[in-house]
Amino acid sequence: QKEVEQDPGPLSVPEGAIVSLNCTYSNSAFQYFMWYRQYSRKGPELLMYTYSSGNKEDGRFTAQVDKSSKYISLFIRDSQPSDSATYLCAIYTGGFKTIFGAGTRLFVKA
Amino acid sequence: SAVISQKPSRDICQRGTSLTIQCQVDSQVTMMFWYRQQPGQSLTLIATANQGSEATYESGFVIDKFPISRPNLTFSTLTVSNMSPEDSSIYLCSVEGQTGLYEQYFGPGTRLTVT
Repeated sequence: QKEVEQDPGPLSVPEGAIVSLNCTYSNSAFQYFMWYRQYSRKGPELLMYTYSSGNKEDGRFTAQVDKSSKYISLFIRDSQPSDSATYLCAIYTGGFKTIFGAGTRLFVKA
Repeated sequence: SAVISQKPSRDICQRGTSLTIQCQVDSQVTMMFWYRQQPGQSLTLIATANQGSEATYESGFVIDKFPISRPNLTFSTLTVSNMSPEDSSIYLCSVEGQTGLYEQYFGPGTRLTVT
């Protein structure tokens, strides 16, 4: 079993839709959970991070961690064409190491 | 946030040759990381480079194949040696963020194709 699993998509939605992106992970000891956004031919950029369980909101983006089910989510409200990118979940495992999901490609159609 | 540049941005190389990728940061950082990103796969950490010490390699990556230099706090290089088509990938460097090691800033990547 991989340490973190993410559906690669692609996911195509109309503009204005609510988008839900998800990952599952295997180790219940993990505490730091991140979402990165990667535009085509660019490096990933940190979108949000969450420590332990709970929700964190930043504008149209909400990150959610459910440690009981080892499930992390990113919600995008009122999605825009500019949100079209690959979204990678990531988990800091300690020891200077972060593991990444495979990334979900999102297309938001105008 | 740190600004990171990489050279070259892309290259096409013949098998058996080597390519050195440069990573330059606009501020001093302790930890630098090198990743490989293959199509449809997750970012895979190759090694961690700490200035003044030998790089630490992840399982499956060896120094003879991916030698790394870290001569100062703003610069690092990764060499992909004796390349084969399986080395075709995007290579990314990153640095630790200001708020902690769970935050990383990435360079734009080097797209390598080996023929």
